[in-house]
Amino acid sequence: EPEVTQTPSHQVTQMGQEVILRCVPISNHLYFYWYRQILGQKVEFLVSFYNNEISEKSEIFDDQFSVERPDGSNFTLKIRSTKLEDSAMYFCASRGQRSNTGELFFGEGSRLTVL
Amino acid sequence: QQQVKQSPQSLIVQKGGISIINCAYENTAFDYFPWYQQFPGKGPALLIAIRPDVSEKKEGRFTISFNKSAKQFSLHIMDSQPGDSATYFCAASSHDYKLSFGAGTTVTVRA
Repeated sequence: EPEVTQTPSHQVTQMGQEVILRCVPISNHLYFYWYRQILGQKVEFLVSFYNNEISEKSEIFDDQFSVERPDGSNFTLKIRSTKLEDSAMYFCASRGQRSNTGELFFGEGSRLTVL
Repeated sequence: QQQVKQSPQSLIVQKGGISIINCAYENTAFDYFPWYQQFPGKGPALLIAIRPDVSEKKEGRFTISFNKSAKQFSLHIMDSQPGDSATYFCAASSHDYKLSFGAGTTVTVRA
């Protein structure tokens, strides 16, 4: 069964450092998303990406965040200068080609710990 | 603004019992209502979803009931099993499939 894969599974970084989280969406999917989940809280939308550009972003997704699809397979989330409050589980998700296909497939997440 | 409200925060049910989780939404533009199941250390996985043109959808032991006028929907887990112990999130979205999640319900099924 096709799946969304994410790396690293866990990253520990110092405050102010840059972090790149990587995702390989399901191969024939065209819509990509990043969500985050702070420990014990709900899953929150960060950004959606389609046709090599951001479709929508939340208030959380400020200038410190960026996304990129550098090579047609990977989908990355970069945090330029991490803050303590960026500590969370980050989930990548992808959706199928048909625009009315609702199901988002989530990866297992990358846990980011900012010290 | 909390677009999707979910309750209860947690529930404990005996094996074979019924688990019921409720959600309410505010945005009338929402037209897709999925439920996700999440096990510890894993990402959310789609369990079942409904659109507002039907009032109920059943898949195996899982049933969504949907009340468009009240802007509420619920998940019923029949004949609950220990393997159903997980966190369940309701969610809602409009045509863009940008999901707004509820706060989650931790279900514990006691053998």
